Amino acid sequence: DAKTTQPPSMDCAEGRAANLPCNHSTISGNEYVYWYRQIHSQGPQYIIHGLKNNETNEMASLIITEDRKSSTLILPHATLRDTAVYYCIVRVPYSSASKIIFGSGTRLSIRP
Amino acid sequence: ETGVTQTPRHLVMGMTNKKSLKCEQHLGHNAMYWYKQSAKKPLELMFVYNFKEQTENNSVPSRFSPECPNSSHLFLHLHTLQPEDSALYLCASSQVRGRADTQYFGPGTRLTVL
Repeated sequence: DAKTTQPPSMDCAEGRAANLPCNHSTISGNEYVYWYRQIHSQGPQYIIHGLKNNETNEMASLIITEDRKSSTLILPHATLRDTAVYYCIVRVPYSSASKIIFGSGTRLSIRP
Repeated sequence: ETGVTQTPRHLVMGMTNKKSLKCEQHLGHNAMYWYKQSAKKPLELMFVYNFKEQTENNSVPSRFSPECPNSSHLFLHLHTLQPEDSALYLCASSQVRGRADTQYFGPGTRLTVL
């Protein structure tokens, strides 16, 4: 069972920031938050991950609440190519017993 | 460019056929994975290989047989499949002890069983 809850769909205007929420209220202390996305019929693409500090890379920013029970993925300037299903995953890295479990994700639509 | 390639990209087979899916990673990783994605369903982990050893089999039917001859190649041998096995089959790799164990996915093989 997925350990995260995400809205099934969202939309955002092109050029605006897309903020995708994720709830992970049962996250344990050694579990990281990962975000992937899947553009239609392609393999999932890694976006970003974090433990407790906010993280930023060339694709996105990840904001994790202080209690770690939720997080937000921010795409600062959404483009049409960002239309995809976004998955929020929590797991312990380096652990063969900790699977990547993909839930249903959030289908993000970017409108022109 | 993900560094993980899969062939073929599309495959149509009958229920009595035997076919194989191939995955190759060019990232120097030491773990490889097979996932299945059926229509309108989340990705399902099928098999995990760490350092060429199978470490996980998620109750996958025996008509799916994985093979990992080295850390760069992963195969999925298919025989006597059912129409419900039609799906997108995705391969992934990761460097255990690397970048937080991030998995990198290939483009997938779209399998149709007639």
